[in-house]
Amino acid sequence: QQQVKQSPQSLIVQKGGISIINCAYENTAFDYFPWYQQFPGKGPALLIAIRPDVSEKKEGRFTISFNKSAKQFSLHIMDSQPGDSATYFCAASKGYSTLTFGKGTMLLVSP
Amino acid sequence: EAGVAQSPRYKIIEKRQSVAFWCNPISGHATLYWYQQILGQGPKLLIQFQNNGVVDDSQLPKDRFSAERLKGVDSTLKIQPAKLEDSAVYLCASSRGQVGQPQHFGDGTRLSIL
Repeated sequence: QQQVKQSPQSLIVQKGGISIINCAYENTAFDYFPWYQQFPGKGPALLIAIRPDVSEKKEGRFTISFNKSAKQFSLHIMDSQPGDSATYFCAASKGYSTLTFGKGTMLLVSP
Repeated sequence: EAGVAQSPRYKIIEKRQSVAFWCNPISGHATLYWYQQILGQGPKLLIQFQNNGVVDDSQLPKDRFSAERLKGVDSTLKIQPAKLEDSAVYLCASSRGQVGQPQHFGDGTRLSIL
């Protein structure tokens, strides 16, 4: 049973554009929602995370939007750069419990 | 701060052989995780340790996979015997273990089964 559904599977964005990746979860007990960035041959690296008591969190060009009632959250990358080209994973967990990852979105930012 | 160290980076074996991976977490991190990442998918947790005790191994195929974390620091993950479907990247991660503390990942071991 896939508890975190991520879309799209791949995304091509022009340099300077906005990249948007969406995730939906099923388990209402989840209370921690991180996004990870993974470059080829590297492990995932934490990008930004949010808890359900806020609807939005911004760090630099990266913003998480969270909709608790819809059980959805999304990552927005403003002013996308070629260096942002990577695979992005959303994840969710409850407290100490294990992270459940989405299947990933391969982002390509064209120059 | 040194990151999570994993070795080897690559391993090629034939099916039915055995293989072992090693992980050294970030100093002071009480929680250690092993994940399996199949090509094109997100990481899937195999086992989670808190110090040297197992917290969650519900998704570990215990008939062929085993893991240990002696002295609550380094950890090894073993597969015996390997199957073709075990071809994947095996990632180790660690965290301080407190609620909301981020997991820091190593660069993984890419395992190919022939």
